[in-house]
Amino acid sequence: GQQLNQSPQSMFIQEGEDVSMNCTSSSIFNTWLWYKQEPGEGPVLLIALYKAGELTSNGRLTAQFGITRKDSFLNISASIPSDVGIYFCAGHRDDKIIFGKGTRLHILP
Amino acid sequence: NAGVMQNPRHLVRRRGQEARLRCSPVKGHSHVYWYRQLPEEGLKFMVYLQKENIIDESGMPKERFSAEFPKEGPSILRIQQVVRGDSAAYFCASSHRQGNTEAFFGQGTRLTVV
Repeated sequence: GQQLNQSPQSMFIQEGEDVSMNCTSSSIFNTWLWYKQEPGEGPVLLIALYKAGELTSNGRLTAQFGITRKDSFLNISASIPSDVGIYFCAGHRDDKIIFGKGTRLHILP
Repeated sequence: NAGVMQNPRHLVRRRGQEARLRCSPVKGHSHVYWYRQLPEEGLKFMVYLQKENIIDESGMPKERFSAEFPKEGPSILRIQQVVRGDSAAYFCASSHRQGNTEAFFGQGTRLTVV
């Protein structure tokens, strides 16, 4: 089946550091999505990428849709405590959104 | 989570009982998706419904699970004769058109089977 490989699985960083995480797939997706999930909540859409090569920013977040349409990365600049959570990449195809297993971001004081 | 309402937030059932999970989509949205999330895992697609139609149920177990989205009222995910392995968080998302990637998720129903 369709699988998304997300890395790293978890990250421990100092407040103020930049963060980078990525997602790869053996399948092509029409759209790449990045979500954040906080404990006890549903995922919240952060960034949607629609075109291969597209680079999109949302505040301190920047994401790119890979040229091959099989990968994407998410960067968070100057991390703050409220960035803690699980970040999921997701690919959209055939009316389904397929999720990766998530990157758990921990911020050290 | 722009307006997708799921209830109950937490549901405890004994093995063999039925679980009914409800999802009211964002007003005006006619497309609903159900996902299941196990601890430490991503969300796994279960079923995609439009009003009165099941479009894709390829991720839903063939037995004991069913879903509906009637013309009036919320979408319902029903699990009959629950087993411990059904314990998970179940999320619903809605969108206003087919293929719209900007689906909004509810806060989920956490089902615990004891």
